[in-house]
Amino acid sequence: QPVVTQSSSASASLGSSVKVTCTLSSGYSSYIIAWHQHQPGKAPRYLMKVERSGNYNKGSGVPDRFSGSSSGADRYLTISNLQSEDEADYYCETWASKSHVFGSGTKVTVL
Amino acid sequence: EVQVVESGGGLVKPGGSLRLSCAASGFTFNTYSMNWVRQAPGKGLEWVASIDSTSTYIYYADSLKGRFTISRDNAENSLYLQMNSLRAEDTAVYFCATEGSCTDDVCLTDSWGQGTLVTVSS
Repeated sequence: QPVVTQSSSASASLGSSVKVTCTLSSGYSSYIIAWHQHQPGKAPRYLMKVERSGNYNKGSGVPDRFSGSSSGADRYLTISNLQSEDEADYYCETWASKSHVFGSGTKVTVL
Repeated sequence: EVQVVESGGGLVKPGGSLRLSCAASGFTFNTYSMNWVRQAPGKGLEWVASIDSTSTYIYYADSLKGRFTISRDNAENSLYLQMNSLRAEDTAVYFCATEGSCTDDVCLTDSWGQGTLVTVSS
């Protein structure tokens, strides 16, 4: 069973909101995660870390429309007022058993 | 501004070796743990290896089975990845990344390079 699980895709209309979920498996439900954005041909970009409490801490220069939250074993990335430049793959990352673990990525499409 | 720049990628035959380098600037390199992460064509991000600031703690993905070695030179602000016995499945863009997002004793990736492409093919 993977440590973290993500849905493969999500889509929403320009100007609306989309919520991306990272689910931690049993035994890891209290873990902190990080969210990263990756667009083809570019360097990945660190967005934020999200704690079990729901507290989140964004990286430098990350727009206000990006936010994080948490519920149980789920960690969320919400993008509000969706822009065309937000179309990308989004990965969650955690540290478990002396390994960095990345989710399989969620492709966000702006309709 | 944190900057990491990878180099050393290229075309190599199966069974061959390659050494990747990562030049760091804009931060106190000798206080950061560092990672190598790769992305194979059409696939997601895959962690490869991590090294702490003093090279005391070094970790590898199980799938590498001892073929790769991560190292660093704090005097040169540089990170390295020695890759031996390369296989076609090692074909990927290799990213250098800093582990600067820390909470208690857990540090996650917080900045990335542009990556360097490694192609393993005969």
